[in-house]
Amino acid sequence: AQSVTQLDSQVPVFEEAPVELRCNYSSSVSVYLFWYVQYPNQGLQLLLKYLSGSTLVESINGFEAEFNKSQTSFHLRKPSVHISDTAEYFCAVSDLRGRGNQGGKLIFGQGTELSVKP
Amino acid sequence: DGGITQSPKYLFRKEGQNVTLSCEQNLNHDAMYWYRQDPGQGLRLIYYSQIVNDFQKGDIAEGYSVSREKKESFPLTVTSAQKNPTAFYLCASNQGFYGYTFGSGTRLTVV
Repeated sequence: AQSVTQLDSQVPVFEEAPVELRCNYSSSVSVYLFWYVQYPNQGLQLLLKYLSGSTLVESINGFEAEFNKSQTSFHLRKPSVHISDTAEYFCAVSDLRGRGNQGGKLIFGQGTELSVKP
Repeated sequence: DGGITQSPKYLFRKEGQNVTLSCEQNLNHDAMYWYRQDPGQGLRLIYYSQIVNDFQKGDIAEGYSVSREKKESFPLTVTSAQKNPTAFYLCASNQGFYGYTFGSGTRLTVV
């Protein structure tokens, strides 16, 4: 069975500092990987995804994540965080064994609360 | 713009009452999902449906029911059998393996 582990439940950082949110997964099949962000009292928004190709993927607001197949990891990084990055971040993997085009149920990690302090 | 609409945003339930949360999508997605979110517990899957007129239980289906009579709609009923229904409920949909689109959530509170 697939599983996702987010290694830190809370990450406090100061504004303009770098941050890394760690995500490891286990799977016996190929996976697609995702990071979602959730602001208070809102739904989840897709931040970035790895489907194939370059193992380094980037978002429009400066986050990046690198797919490392040998370490089964997909850590999220940002070189300089802003107060507005304060949110909860979820890592997820896609089950590729779904029924044709109707598959793709996501397995989520427990989430990491990023708190950026001035 | 295409998306998922959840309503209402806030809902209050009395003890012993059934309530229904609405989820509608205009993305033409086949699959739809309901998750429950509690502080510190991440997302827990309640029910999902990968095609009209078919749905499967997730990890915490007890006390909940769903229907999928139309592709666009996947309502969730929280029954009186659900003893601790206060939570944030999220609906999502997808097509293929490319990730979910989420609604903005419904916060249910027992009064």
